[in-house]
Amino acid sequence: KAGVTQTPRYLIKTRGQQVTLSCSPISGHRSVSWYQQTPGQGLQFLFEYFSETQRNKGNFPGRFSGRQFSNSRSEMNVSTLELGDSALYLCASSYNTGTGNTEAFFGQGTRLTVV
Amino acid sequence: DQQVKQNSPSLSVQEGRISILNCDYTNSMFDYFLWYKKYPAEGPTFLISISSIKDKNEDGRFTVFLNKSAKHLSLHIVPSQPGDSAVYFCAASARDTNAGKSTFGDGTTLTVKP
Repeated sequence: KAGVTQTPRYLIKTRGQQVTLSCSPISGHRSVSWYQQTPGQGLQFLFEYFSETQRNKGNFPGRFSGRQFSNSRSEMNVSTLELGDSALYLCASSYNTGTGNTEAFFGQGTRLTVV
Repeated sequence: DQQVKQNSPSLSVQEGRISILNCDYTNSMFDYFLWYKKYPAEGPTFLISISSIKDKNEDGRFTVFLNKSAKHLSLHIVPSQPGDSAVYFCAASARDTNAGKSTFGDGTTLTVKP
């Protein structure tokens, strides 16, 4: 079974630009979550999508948005990039159906650098 | 307000000894707890979990203990091996309200010396 695939692996953008990151979950997983990890910080929850609907949202500004497609693939978009947005963005998929908890399977992440 | 805290940023132990990683949480709604391990340049991988109805879960060299009254959990690795050197994240979730959302601690970097 293929794991969680994130593209691209590395990205360099300039301030003010926008960026779109992609995540393909494990086949059969309908829940996709996005996290931001900055140096020395834990994983900060961005949002979670389940069956094309945003089910949970973290405390990030509206510049951070996402969506999920019918095949469960998800994209995350950041507009008007700031230097502080430089981070490792991790996508996680799980079989979670909303009635219980399961572990999440993470992709390798997209390393975004804003210059 | 950080709801999941790992107060030790780093831990160094000798190969063969026990590694104990600690985690505290503040949200009493959390009822499911997980530990993840992360190597550099890789995403976190699931290690072990525990539901709030238990106080201990064991999987090979890894055991997680949960003390609900103290809102504290710990991960024991016995015996520690050099390959266990990684960053360990504690995570918590609330099944009824936020089943798809996990709150993570900042991580503890474990170094196991040969």
